[in-house]
Amino acid sequence: DTGVSQNPRHKITKRGQNVTFRCDPISEHNRLYWYRQTLGQGPEFLTYFQNEAQLEKSRLLSDRFSAERPKGSFSTLEIQRTEQGDSAMYLCASSPAGTSESDTQYFGPGTRLTVL
Amino acid sequence: AQKVTQAQTEISVVEKEDVTLDCVYETRDTTYYLFWYKQPPSGELVFLIRRNSFDEQNEISGRYSWNFQKSTSSFNFTITASQVVDSAVYFCALSEAGFGNEKLTFGTGTRLTIIP
Repeated sequence: DTGVSQNPRHKITKRGQNVTFRCDPISEHNRLYWYRQTLGQGPEFLTYFQNEAQLEKSRLLSDRFSAERPKGSFSTLEIQRTEQGDSAMYLCASSPAGTSESDTQYFGPGTRLTVL
Repeated sequence: AQKVTQAQTEISVVEKEDVTLDCVYETRDTTYYLFWYKQPPSGELVFLIRRNSFDEQNEISGRYSWNFQKSTSSFNFTITASQVVDSAVYFCALSEAGFGNEKLTFGTGTRLTIIP
């Protein structure tokens, strides 16, 4: 059973460019979460999907951010017109719904974004 | 609003010593989950334990033990006979239970260094 995977692992971009990250959850998991972690801080919740439905978005998720999970499997997180403040580690997590483990989130390795 | 406080920013101990990481939480919910995650230098968050708010039994897993006390809103983590491989950042986290979106609220983490 493979864990959560994220691509790319590292991304360096210039201010103003668009970037897209991908997350592949654990195969039976229908809940998927995105978090952002800056240096010296704990991860902060960005958004959540149950299957293909995006059910909640944090106020941290500005209009420049959009997330999709079109077929209820992998998810993408896009940042448009990147700013230096977007530099962070972007973490994806998944959990199974309807089981005794549904509250436990398993995390991927993250995508580290650097905006120059 | 939920809040998790990890007052210890950094701890260093000599190998084989015992060490306790503190976690204090705030929530208005009567049903919630508490978690500990380990983040080694590679960056991936590794799930260690989940505790239901109705279960105040302490738990031991090998060299790891957890002490949950609702009276003081604390969920402390002890490593016995520490090893160099325990060096990492440890995060305590909290989630509501039973509402579908069990998004995690993290503390700021405690960086643990085990000195050989």
